[in-house]
Amino acid sequence: EVQMLESGGGLGQPGGSLRLSCAASGFTFSDYAMTWVRQAPGKGLEWVSVISGGGGTIYYAGSVKGRFTISRDNSRNTLYLQMNSLRAEDTAVYYCAKGVRFTAMVPFDSWGQGTLVTVSS
Amino acid sequence: EIVLTQSPGTLSLSPGERATLSCRASQTVSSSYLAWYKQKPGQAPRLLIYGASSRATGIPDRFSGSGSGTDFTLTISRLEPEDFAVYYCQQYGNSPQTFGQGTKVEIK
Repeated sequence: EVQMLESGGGLGQPGGSLRLSCAASGFTFSDYAMTWVRQAPGKGLEWVSVISGGGGTIYYAGSVKGRFTISRDNSRNTLYLQMNSLRAEDTAVYYCAKGVRFTAMVPFDSWGQGTLVTVSS
Repeated sequence: EIVLTQSPGTLSLSPGERATLSCRASQTVSSSYLAWYKQKPGQAPRLLIYGASSRATGIPDRFSGSGSGTDFTLTISRLEPEDFAVYYCQQYGNSPQTFGQGTKVEIK
């Protein structure tokens, strides 16, 4: 069974940092792109970043470019999101999701349950 | 950035009725790289349709997608109780990928 388990959410200070992790199981992790999507309380979905299966292709939303870094460790079946220079508007549930193929421009067919990030002083 | 506009914002229907949801893009979506997701309260999204018209694994055939270019449609032929939810379209052909703002299908 395909599963993703996010962790690392919590309270972050404005201007501070947090690192999210997503532990994946049930599939060959390195064969698939992975993404982060966030959802502010009561709002819609916002795509954040995507990384191809081998890690060679990465894209970011304009709202996080230069502040967030996506990475993956295929030996540990784990996806990461390093979040720096946090802002109040980064407050959201962060989902990791599995792509349907190796390449970055794909839809996402399995999702974790999300981890809540709250940015507040 | 491609902006996706979904309409209507809310659709009030009864079980058994047909639902038609629209997603309009601000520019052509490359290779019909358009997906639809369903999200129920407190749950993660679920992929329904990709490539504008292909059903994802395990999705019943009452869900169908159509369209190309800038205009796309998700149709639910006969609403079941579990279909009342929020639906999002997403384009994944251009970076940044983008989602529409969602259409809520509620029980009338």
